[in-house]
Amino acid sequence: DTGVSQNPRHKITKRGQNVTFRCDPISEHNRLYWYRQTLGQGPEFLTYFQNEAQLEKSRLLSDRFSAERPKGSFSTLEIQRTEQGDSAMYLCASSTMNTEAFFGQGTRLTVV
Amino acid sequence: DAKTTQPTSMDCAEGRAANLPCNHSTISGNEYVYWYRQIHSQGPQYIIHGLKNNETNEMASLIITEDRKSSTLILPHATLRDTAVYYCIVRVYNFNKFYFGSGTKLNVKP
Repeated sequence: DTGVSQNPRHKITKRGQNVTFRCDPISEHNRLYWYRQTLGQGPEFLTYFQNEAQLEKSRLLSDRFSAERPKGSFSTLEIQRTEQGDSAMYLCASSTMNTEAFFGQGTRLTVV
Repeated sequence: DAKTTQPTSMDCAEGRAANLPCNHSTISGNEYVYWYRQIHSQGPQYIIHGLKNNETNEMASLIITEDRKSSTLILPHATLRDTAVYYCIVRVYNFNKFYFGSGTKLNVKP
């Protein structure tokens, strides 16, 4: 257990539905990252927060995706109008400026 | 961030040393070499990182060539629990993201 908690661990949803995932980082970590991983591939960067500010978003993060970190602590990732191509593992990580990134166990999304 | 090249897969006998190579010929002077691993269905786990000197911790050793264009991660006594995908990443220290490639699938066999 790295101390980064993600919920839920698994989510099955019907195409077109909205889903929201939550990440609780290690408490003193001001940096938070979201990644997406499809089968057989390495994780791909989605977005990055420093405290509550979202400082970078990948082009992978279409307008159906939105991430928030309202008080600089936990973060949520919402996907609207899910598509089958959104099926993947969504990983959250946290760090400080001077530590390596610690990853959570991920949320596995299946869109049917 | 510089790109890395790793073999797709490697086998290692249990109890033997596992040597995982990584090529990063376009690495910049301020980029570090990081290694992470991912055991099936879990999030990536940090192993070790270094700039130009060899590094060792309780998990592994990292050997970086003098020209810094390649490196080797060494697991001194591989166990079955070391079976995982190992990712070599080059990154500016404190930069805000990692770029993972496809990694090396290490199979440790009894």
